[in-house]
Amino acid sequence: IAGITQAPTSQILAAGRRMTLRCTQDMRHNAMYWYRQDLGLGLRLIHYSNTAGTTGKGEVPDGYSVSRANTDDFPLTLASAVPSQTSVYFCASSDKGGTGELFFGEGSRLTVL
Amino acid sequence: RKEVEQDPGPFNVPEGATVAFNCTYSNSASQSFFWYRQDCRKEPKLLMSVYSSGNEDGRFTAQLNRASQYISLLIRDSKLSDSATYLCVVNINTGGFKTIFGAGTRLFVKA
Repeated sequence: IAGITQAPTSQILAAGRRMTLRCTQDMRHNAMYWYRQDLGLGLRLIHYSNTAGTTGKGEVPDGYSVSRANTDDFPLTLASAVPSQTSVYFCASSDKGGTGELFFGEGSRLTVL
Repeated sequence: RKEVEQDPGPFNVPEGATVAFNCTYSNSASQSFFWYRQDCRKEPKLLMSVYSSGNEDGRFTAQLNRASQYISLLIRDSKLSDSATYLCVVNINTGGFKTIFGAGTRLFVKA
């Protein structure tokens, strides 16, 4: 069982470029999340989706967009990357909304120059 | 003030030692609590949930003190493989649920 798959695992990107981080899960979880993790800070929620067809803003949504066309996929797009978006991005899913265990992908390390 | 605060450490302990981490939370609407473990350059993984009555899983014991708004994690007989960052996680009921992660406490267990 793959669980959650993220791609790419690592990317260097020029500022101003558009970038989509992919996330796919095979656990049929309703809820999916995108977090960023920066040194000295906890994981911060960017966007979430409680079920296919719905999305919501997290703590740090500016500069990011998401879509949830189906249960399995939850891509995160940076429309015009800026250096402050250099971070490690984790996709996660849960079968109990906000109350249960979060299952994380292996992360995508993004550097914006 | 951060909603979830942890001592970042690092805690450097010898093998076999007992080590304890605390985590404080500020929102009284916090309803469920967890400890996650994160290895270097890896994703976080659930270590254990924290129940009001306290719970134990092998060498790991988690406690919740709602009155003082903190949770703790005790690791007995530390192993080299326990070296990791331990994340305190709190779910807050704000109508919907909001999950807040602490910044983590780093543990190094040395031979």
